[in-house]
Amino acid sequence: GQNIDQPTEMTATEGAIVQINCTYQTSGFNGLFWYQQHAGEAPTFLSYNVLDGLEEKGRFSSFLSRSKGYSYLLLKELQMKDSASYLCAVRDGDYKLSFGAGTTVTVRA
Amino acid sequence: TAGITQAPTSQILAAGRSMTLRCTQDMRHNAMYWYRQDLGLGLRLIHYSNTAGTTGKGEVPDGYSVSRANTDDFPLTLASAVPSQTSVYFCASSVDAETDTQYFGPGTRLTVL
Repeated sequence: GQNIDQPTEMTATEGAIVQINCTYQTSGFNGLFWYQQHAGEAPTFLSYNVLDGLEEKGRFSSFLSRSKGYSYLLLKELQMKDSASYLCAVRDGDYKLSFGAGTTVTVRA
Repeated sequence: TAGITQAPTSQILAAGRSMTLRCTQDMRHNAMYWYRQDLGLGLRLIHYSNTAGTTGKGEVPDGYSVSRANTDDFPLTLASAVPSQTSVYFCASSVDAETDTQYFGPGTRLTVL
């Protein structure tokens, strides 16, 4: 099966930066996604990486190293509304998404 | 824009009963998916459909069936519910299965007693 690991929980202060790491071992690789999920809501798309390097989108950035099986999501200038679960997902060789268990980020004032 | 809708929002079901969770999308997406989300396990793929008329099994298909009679609808049926099927069920869709991002519906919270 697929193996996708990310930390269970992280806490940070409003205005700070938080980096959520994701490591993966999958059968083939066709891209890595990050989703945000607020409690009781659906996951919403944040970012997509298929080539090595950094993708920046406003306060959020995502990095990928395919050779290391590693990605991170960087959240800058944290706001209270960023308190949510962040899901790392890898599209494997069969074009199916496998998800990590998610990282719950708590932003404190 | 409605996007993806799911019904019901929540349901309590007696073990042994059957139940169909409904999913409809108005984006003319070719691919649709059903996931279940359980605490500590993340989202797991139950069944998928790359295009109308075709379906496939995901990671955890046992006890579930799907059909894809048209582009818009992708119902998930539990023929005889068991307590281990208590979960939050999300339907998702994408333009195609190979290159596009998946977008999720609001979910159905199902409790099997």
